[in-house]
Amino acid sequence: EVQLVQSGAEVKKPGESLKISCKGSGYSFTSYWIGWVRQMPGKGLEWMGIIYPGDSDTRYSPSFQGQVTISADKSISTAYLQWSSLKASDTAMYYCARPLFEYSSGWYYFDYWGQGTLVTVSS
Amino acid sequence: QLVLTQSPSASASLGASVKLTCTLSSGHSSYAIAWHQQQPEKGPRYLMKLNSDGSHSKGDGIPDRFSGSSSGAERYLTISSLQSEDEADYYCQTWGTGGVFGGGTKLTVL
Repeated sequence: EVQLVQSGAEVKKPGESLKISCKGSGYSFTSYWIGWVRQMPGKGLEWMGIIYPGDSDTRYSPSFQGQVTISADKSISTAYLQWSSLKASDTAMYYCARPLFEYSSGWYYFDYWGQGTLVTVSS
Repeated sequence: QLVLTQSPSASASLGASVKLTCTLSSGHSSYAIAWHQQQPEKGPRYLMKLNSDGSHSKGDGIPDRFSGSSSGAERYLTISSLQSEDEADYYCQTWGTGGVFGGGTKLTVL
């Protein structure tokens, strides 16, 4: 059974750093991309970026490029989302999700989701 | 620019059927999409992928009450025999240079 299990909720102050995690199991972690999706309070889903743990190839949405860092440790089947200096506007739920490539049409769709990590940034 | 447009809200009665719409932006009518369900206070769940010809493939454990269809640039999610647990936000998703989500439709079951 494919599972993506995320780290727990975080409460941080503006300017602090943070790294949240997403552990994959039930599949070959190094053979699939894994991505991050933001959901701000009361809002919709926003794609942030993806990483291929096999070779650490990383792609970012232009909206999030330079704002966050996506990484992965394939030895422990875990992907990370990291901030160096949090802002109040980073307050959101963050989901990891596995984008599966559809060869016939040449596109990706998210077929498994993590349970989410709530990040609250407040002074 | 690749954009997915969804109505913000929809409602239907318990036991009835409802058809939700996701519209692809001009020039992108051949794109496939995926539908995801987000129940209140829960993470999203993948429902199905839906091609431009209407063929679709559902995720594990998704009931037969959920089906998909297509017409031109529109992609539909039909839920029949509505149950209370179907009250949720429904998002369509596709891929261009990266992931693209529609704004979501909040479905109320009356």
